[in-house]
Amino acid sequence: EILMTQSPATLSVSPGERATLSCRASQSISSNLAWYQQKPGQAPRLLIYGASTRATGIPARFSGSGSGTEFTLTISSLQSEDFAVYYCQQYNNWPPWDTFGQGTKLEIK
Amino acid sequence: QVQLQESGPGLVKPSETLSLTCTVSGGSISSYYWSWIRQPPGKGLEWIGYIFQSGGPNYNPSLKSRVTITVDSSKNQFSLKLRSVTAADTAVFYCARGGDIPAIMDYWGRGTLVTVSS
Repeated sequence: EILMTQSPATLSVSPGERATLSCRASQSISSNLAWYQQKPGQAPRLLIYGASTRATGIPARFSGSGSGTEFTLTISSLQSEDFAVYYCQQYNNWPPWDTFGQGTKLEIK
Repeated sequence: QVQLQESGPGLVKPSETLSLTCTVSGGSISSYYWSWIRQPPGKGLEWIGYIFQSGGPNYNPSLKSRVTITVDSSKNQFSLKLRSVTAADTAVFYCARGGDIPAIMDYWGRGTLVTVSS
């Protein structure tokens, strides 16, 4: 079983500033990592896959990096609509039942 | 544009069976992987299982004994049954599509809250 740990649990950042969210895997998952954004009352939305590839329609201010066990989601200049919960997901093992991290809540400072 | 829509009862009694259907529009259900994911109130995401028409269903081991996922290609729908529910099964249930990489969910339904209560 691969354990995905996200940090911090809550991140407070001011609009216009940069946000950096972390995700750690308990064992190497190569670049088999995705990031999702979930706003209150909505379904998750795919942001990033392959650790660094933006999904269709995702703004360039979202970027992902990392490989192996350490990954980062960076939002370069926070917009009001970016405040949400972010989940990382590993898909190195198939089927990846233990797939999602516990989430990071990005809130307005 | 692919769209998914969950439907089913919002309230289920303990020990009974939760039944949900996901209707897919804007694309054929005959390709891709189709998943059910749930999210208890205020908590994280749990993948329940998936189905690929030519390969049959596959279930999270933690729920395997109680779950059945089926597909109806003629209606472009897939369904979830979760048996012997308890209050711990109260959650928002999402259906989702696995894209070119099956585990990556690129389209999601809006989700439906199912409450288990007498």
